[in-house]
Amino acid sequence: AQTVTQSQPEMSVQEAETVTLSCTYDTSESDYYLFWYKQPPSRQMILVIRQEAYKQQNATENRFSVNFQKAAKSFSLKISDSQLGDAAMYFCAYLMEYGNKLVFGAGTILRVKS
Amino acid sequence: GAGVSQSPRYKVAKRGQDVALRCDPISGHVSLFWYQQALGQGPEFLTYFQNEAQLDKSGLPSDRFFAERPEGSVSTLKIQRTQQEDSAVYLCASSFHLGEVGSLNTEAFFGQGTRLTVV
Repeated sequence: AQTVTQSQPEMSVQEAETVTLSCTYDTSESDYYLFWYKQPPSRQMILVIRQEAYKQQNATENRFSVNFQKAAKSFSLKISDSQLGDAAMYFCAYLMEYGNKLVFGAGTILRVKS
Repeated sequence: GAGVSQSPRYKVAKRGQDVALRCDPISGHVSLFWYQQALGQGPEFLTYFQNEAQLDKSGLPSDRFFAERPEGSVSTLKIQRTQQEDSAVYLCASSFHLGEVGSLNTEAFFGQGTRLTVV
């Protein structure tokens, strides 16, 4: 069974600085998707960024980028120029090819200091 | 509305009571998912529908949990004889489809969830 591990229960960053959230996963599959979701206090999960495992190029969405290391099964999220609105719980998630269930990590609380 | 809508947002149930949680997916979305999120944890998969067919219910924790989507749109998650361990946020998500290699339609859109507290 696939597992996703987020080893940082909580992270803090100063406004305008850069922070990196860690995620590792375990799978025997070669094709799959990886995601980072943001969950603010409203509880609605919002997709931040997506990576297809067959793509070597790291995904980027504005201030958000990932460092995808397939051999190491590592998928970290870098947030540049952090903003107060980035404060939330962040979840790393895995989806196998043709799969129908997202497997989530336990989450990392991100606090942004002004 | 444009997003996934869940109701009620909050539900308090006495232990042993039956509850029904509703999910209105985005119009036209084929796939619908239910997840259970315990306090301080990541969501865990409960069940998956493709249109009205329940294709995967491997995550349902017991036979007290039942989900349906009779017309391939609105879905209801029912929990019978609620127990304290059922207290959690129940999230619903929908997508046009999920899991196709190379497809742009793999994004799952989540609702705001129903927070169930069993007392």
